[in-house]
Amino acid sequence: DAGVTQSPTHLIKTRGQQVTLRCSPKSGHDTVSWYQQALGQGPQFIFQYYEEEERQRGNFPDRFSGHQFPNYSSELNVNALLLGDSALYLCASSFKSGTGAGYTFGSGTRLTVV
Amino acid sequence: ILNVEQSPQSLHVQEGDSTNFTCSFPSSNFYALHWYRWETAKSPEALFVMTLNGDEKKKGRISATLNTKEGYSYLYIKGSQPEDSATYLCAFIRGSTLGRLYFGRGTQLTVWP
Repeated sequence: DAGVTQSPTHLIKTRGQQVTLRCSPKSGHDTVSWYQQALGQGPQFIFQYYEEEERQRGNFPDRFSGHQFPNYSSELNVNALLLGDSALYLCASSFKSGTGAGYTFGSGTRLTVV
Repeated sequence: ILNVEQSPQSLHVQEGDSTNFTCSFPSSNFYALHWYRWETAKSPEALFVMTLNGDEKKKGRISATLNTKEGYSYLYIKGSQPEDSATYLCAFIRGSTLGRLYFGRGTQLTVWP
């Protein structure tokens, strides 16, 4: 049973560019959450998608946007990249809110902004 | 700002040692506490989901306890093995924002043979 798949695994972008990260949830899961882990920090919640809508959002600027597709896969878009956006981006999937059974995480996309 | 604190930040032990780490979280508006194990270059793996005050969970040599009234959880590893080397993350869920995990910075455990 495939878990959460994220692509690409690594990415290098230039300041000001735009980037799209992709996530395929675990089979049977319908909710996708995105987290950013900067160096030395714990993962920080960006937003969560359920039924193709953003259900919750963390303290991230509007440059961060997302989408969920009918097959439950999701994209994270970041516009006007800043050096500070360099981080590991994790995708987590769950069934509904996921609070009861825990989340299944992908291995992340490492984004470097130069 | 919601703070989830983990201590120690890192830990180095010899194979066979037992060890424990702490996760502190707000005692109000508690819903659940998750523990994750994260090996380098892999994905975080859920160890425990804890919801009730006084909960004790066990998986093999790893166990965890929960005190929601005072806002802390302990993770114990008995007889550490080199394959236990990983970062252990705790994540707090509050009742008003179900589905959102508030992570600590993790405890990085290294077990030497």
